[in-house]
Amino acid sequence: AQSVTQPDIHITVSEGASLELRCNYSYGATPYLFWYVQSPGQGLQLLLKYFSGDTLVQGIKGFEAEFKRSQSSFNLRKPSVHWSDAAEYFCAVGGSGNTGKLIFGQGTTLQVKP
Amino acid sequence: KAGVTQTPRYLIKTRGQQVTLSCSPISGHRSVSWYQQTPGQGLQFLFEYFSETQRNKGNFPGRFSGRQFSNSRSEMNVSTLELGDSALYLCASSLATGSNEQFFGPGTRLTVL
Repeated sequence: AQSVTQPDIHITVSEGASLELRCNYSYGATPYLFWYVQSPGQGLQLLLKYFSGDTLVQGIKGFEAEFKRSQSSFNLRKPSVHWSDAAEYFCAVGGSGNTGKLIFGQGTTLQVKP
Repeated sequence: KAGVTQTPRYLIKTRGQQVTLSCSPISGHRSVSWYQQTPGQGLQFLFEYFSETQRNKGNFPGRFSGRQFSNSRSEMNVSTLELGDSALYLCASSLATGSNEQFFGPGTRLTVL
């Protein structure tokens, strides 16, 4: 079955500390992986994506993620968190251009302490 | 380039009514997908339209339907509303080629009383 698991529902970090959000996926075909961020009452903004090639991908706002096929993981990282990073983060997996269907994880809410 | 727009942004309806939500994709994007977001179920795929045809469908009852017009704009309709239909409905558009990277609109917040 196709699924995405984000083990951490809620994470709190201090401003300036590093961050890692975990994502594990199950997908039969070659996965296309995404991280989205959602601020309260807003839509989803794409942070970064992995399709192929270099397994370490860079995104917007200083985020990066590493694809590890052997662990079926696509964890999101940021070296130094800013208060404005407080939001909900979603990992998603999808297929090729023949499907617009994305499967999302349950999301991780990030709280940033001053 | 303008992003994905959704109208209306907020809706309040009563049980048994029907509702139509609208989505205008990014110019040039031919695929439009719809998602329902609730606190309990998270983000769930409703359906996708491509070139005016439904290409993929999620696991929702037939009360949920949609369509796409020749200009790629899409509407979704929910008939006989239930309390459980209260949710944020998100629309996403994509070029529908290769990676199928999707861009999301701000959503329509539907409240069913």
